[in-house]
Amino acid sequence: ETGVTQSPTHLIKTRGQQVTLRCSSQSGHNTVSWYQQALGQGPQFIFQYYREEENGRGNFPPRFSGLQFPNYSSELNVNALELDDSALYLCASSSDRGTYNEQFFGPGTRLTVL
Amino acid sequence: GIQVEQSPPDLILQEGANSTLRCNFSDSVNNLQWFHQNPWGQLINLFYIPSGTKQNGRLSATTVATERYSLLYISSSQTTDSGVYFCAVRTLTASKLTFGTGTRLQVTL
Repeated sequence: ETGVTQSPTHLIKTRGQQVTLRCSSQSGHNTVSWYQQALGQGPQFIFQYYREEENGRGNFPPRFSGLQFPNYSSELNVNALELDDSALYLCASSSDRGTYNEQFFGPGTRLTVL
Repeated sequence: GIQVEQSPPDLILQEGANSTLRCNFSDSVNNLQWFHQNPWGQLINLFYIPSGTKQNGRLSATTVATERYSLLYISSSQTTDSGVYFCAVRTLTASKLTFGTGTRLQVTL
């Protein structure tokens, strides 16, 4: 069984640029959630995708957008990067079958905005 | 929204000691998970425990949903147990996990 994978591992961007982060869900999972974790804080929910549709969104501006593909992998796009967007971005996958609530996390993408 | 508080915020133990971490939450939940975040940022699933008691080796957890708290027990701690421990909950109407404030554990020789 393949776990959750994310790419890239690290990324450095400058203010105003755009970035795309990628996530492959765990085998058998059809739901992907994205979280932002600033230094020294707990992860904060950005949004969730279920069957290619957004299924809940946290308190993040519209310049944070996402996609889910038919194979359940997902992308997080951030436009007009700001310094405060520097954080660890975590992707989690889960299933709507069995203990569908349990979420499993990938290793994260560490984004630095200069 | 739901509030999730963890205590203590910081904990330093000598190797071999036991500890109890607490998670209090302010509303009914249908999902509670405990995670260990290692120094590289990876969140490792420890327990999925919306209610009841579970054990996995030196770790065990208990959630009393009616009283809105959960406990994580670490016995015979090892240096590899160091890191940040998070509890995270999901309410009946939400799709997201809400994370607690975390407990930073340092196990020394």
